[in-house]
Amino acid sequence: AQKITQTQPGMFVQEKEAVTLDCTYDTSDPSYSLFWYKQPSSGEMIFLIYQGSYDQQNATEGRYSLNFQKARKSANLVISASQLGDSAMYFCAMRVLNTGGFKTIFGAGTRLFVKA
Amino acid sequence: DTAVSQTPKYLVTQMGNDKSIKCEQNLGHDTMYWYKQDSKKFLKIMFSYNNKELIINETVPNRFSPKSPDKAHLNLHINSLELGDSAVYFCASSLTSGWADTQYFGPGTRLTVL
Repeated sequence: AQKITQTQPGMFVQEKEAVTLDCTYDTSDPSYSLFWYKQPSSGEMIFLIYQGSYDQQNATEGRYSLNFQKARKSANLVISASQLGDSAMYFCAMRVLNTGGFKTIFGAGTRLFVKA
Repeated sequence: DTAVSQTPKYLVTQMGNDKSIKCEQNLGHDTMYWYKQDSKKFLKIMFSYNNKELIINETVPNRFSPKSPDKAHLNLHINSLELGDSAVYFCASSLTSGWADTQYFGPGTRLTVL
């Protein structure tokens, strides 16, 4: 079955430290994409970072990097130098072929709390 | 300029009513989506349209009817609203419907059914 698993319902990190949010995925398709989205308390879904299944290098976007380990089917998000504004819900997602076309499956999310 | 916009942002209504949510994107994308986020924050695809054609229709009650008058707009009409329809509904768009496309989300519409 195609699914995304985020095993950390909540995480705490001290301001200015790095934090890793875990994500594992399950698919037998060779072509898929992985994404991370941030949802602050205001509710909007903000795209953070993308990794394609054929990409050789880990994706990076500013303070965000995606630790892509294909053999282990993991796509962890690393946030460096955490800021108070990073406190939010973080969703890992996978885009895969399903009945009717490609669709995006979301994990249950991890709530990150950044402490001052 | 807002890339993906939705109206209204909040919708409070009585059970049994019919309501619509509108979505527009100015990104020039071909594909648009409706998602439902429940009270536990779980996000699930409902529908997907590519160039005005329905390509994904999850197991959603037929009280929900999407309409795409053109590829920049995707509206969601809900008939006979039920308590369980209370949720946040997100519209999203992507350049195409392929496997590598990033989706960009609207601000969401919080629907409360009383």
